[in-house]
Amino acid sequence: GAVVSQHPSWVICKSGTSVKIECRSLDFQATTMFWYRQFPKQSLMLMATSNEGSKATYEQGVEKDKFLINHASLTLSTLTVTSAHPEDSSFYICSPKREGRQETQYFGPGTRLLVL
Amino acid sequence: SQQGEEDPQALSIQEGENATMNCSYKTSINNLQWYRQNSGRGLVHLILIRSNEREKHSGRLRVTLDTSKKSSSLLITASRAADTASYFCATDWALVGRQGAQKLVFGQGTRLTINP
Repeated sequence: GAVVSQHPSWVICKSGTSVKIECRSLDFQATTMFWYRQFPKQSLMLMATSNEGSKATYEQGVEKDKFLINHASLTLSTLTVTSAHPEDSSFYICSPKREGRQETQYFGPGTRLLVL
Repeated sequence: SQQGEEDPQALSIQEGENATMNCSYKTSINNLQWYRQNSGRGLVHLILIRSNEREKHSGRLRVTLDTSKKSSSLLITASRAADTASYFCATDWALVGRQGAQKLVFGQGTRLTINP
């Protein structure tokens, strides 16, 4: 199976700071990257979809100015939570889609964010 | 909500028993996938069933799909303590403005506990 990494795996920060989460597809190229958020005991909620070199498409209710997504290359995408608040505390999971494989979607191990 | 429904939300059984989880969805799909998630961890892909398939097996897993009822079931036979996890179904939704591109939308999940 494909290898997807996320960094950091967990982060604790103070309210008001910004946090950047990196997602890398280590052995394949991802033309599309999905970012999900998961609150405790809940399901994964899609936040946004990004394509390499273009602006991300955000799901309804997700603030694009708060959750900045950069998909600068086919192997790296970043999600920056700007001015994080306690309600942003969650588990963030990236999911790169392998180029040319419509059914193949892989998931990163997730990043747990705790905002104090 | 774009998410489907899963039932039960929680299921607790004895080791060795079979576990059945159900998933219902709202729109036409190309395929439906089942994932497992251990507490606080990333997703593990279990099985994919296409819309023209009715049943699929993988080891101790059996998945059925009824497109007329927009529902699917996941059966785990001879359950083991290691099967304790949350199980999610996911369906593909067309990405707006991108022909042929799909995104995965997850159901609410079933928390399965296998008691030794």
